Amino acid sequence: AQKITQTQPGMFVQEKEAVTLDCTYDTSDPSYGLFWYKQPSSGEMIFLIYQGSYDQQNATEGRYSLNFQKARKSANLVISASQLGDSAMYFCAMGTDKLIFGTGTRLQVFP
Amino acid sequence: DAMVIQNPRYQVTQFGKPVTLSCSQTLNHNVMYWYQQKSSQAPKLLFHYYDKDFNNEADTPDNFQSRRPNTSFCFLDIRSPGLGDAAMYLCATSSDSSGGQDDIYEQYFGPGTRLTVT
Repeated sequence: AQKITQTQPGMFVQEKEAVTLDCTYDTSDPSYGLFWYKQPSSGEMIFLIYQGSYDQQNATEGRYSLNFQKARKSANLVISASQLGDSAMYFCAMGTDKLIFGTGTRLQVFP
Repeated sequence: DAMVIQNPRYQVTQFGKPVTLSCSQTLNHNVMYWYQQKSSQAPKLLFHYYDKDFNNEADTPDNFQSRRPNTSFCFLDIRSPGLGDAAMYLCATSSDSSGGQDDIYEQYFGPGTRLTVT
């Protein structure tokens, strides 16, 4: 069975600092994708970054990078230079044509 | 240039009164999904369409139905809403021709419809 775990219910970070949001997963599928989504209070799920299980390099998208450690089955999201607008829920998800989501981490950025 | 559109954004319905939520997309994606997200929980997949093929999750209640009349539109029907069905309903789309690693479909979400049952 597939499983996604986010162990941090909430995180605080000061503006302009970097923050790491943890995600571990379990699957027996040889091919899978790992995704991070941001959900502000408005409710929309905003795609941030994607990593394929066969990708050799860690994915990066602007201030977002994914620290993919396949042997440890972890896919942590790193946000550099945090901004006040980064305050939101962050969900890690895994799958192929269907996704399962972790329980989320609420990030709060303070001045 | 909205890509996945959900209407309405907020819906209030009475206990037991059928309600329909709609989703449309301008991406021409062949896969469409409906998720239910209850307060402070992760989104949970209800069902998805692969083209016209309907795929129901095993634990989706019979109270939830869906229709996809064409590529662009997908509807979620709740036949007899209960108080426990109050949630955010998220529609998403993806394409099986998005390139990259085989079988990996990047999903694009709409803004969601927040359903209240009174």
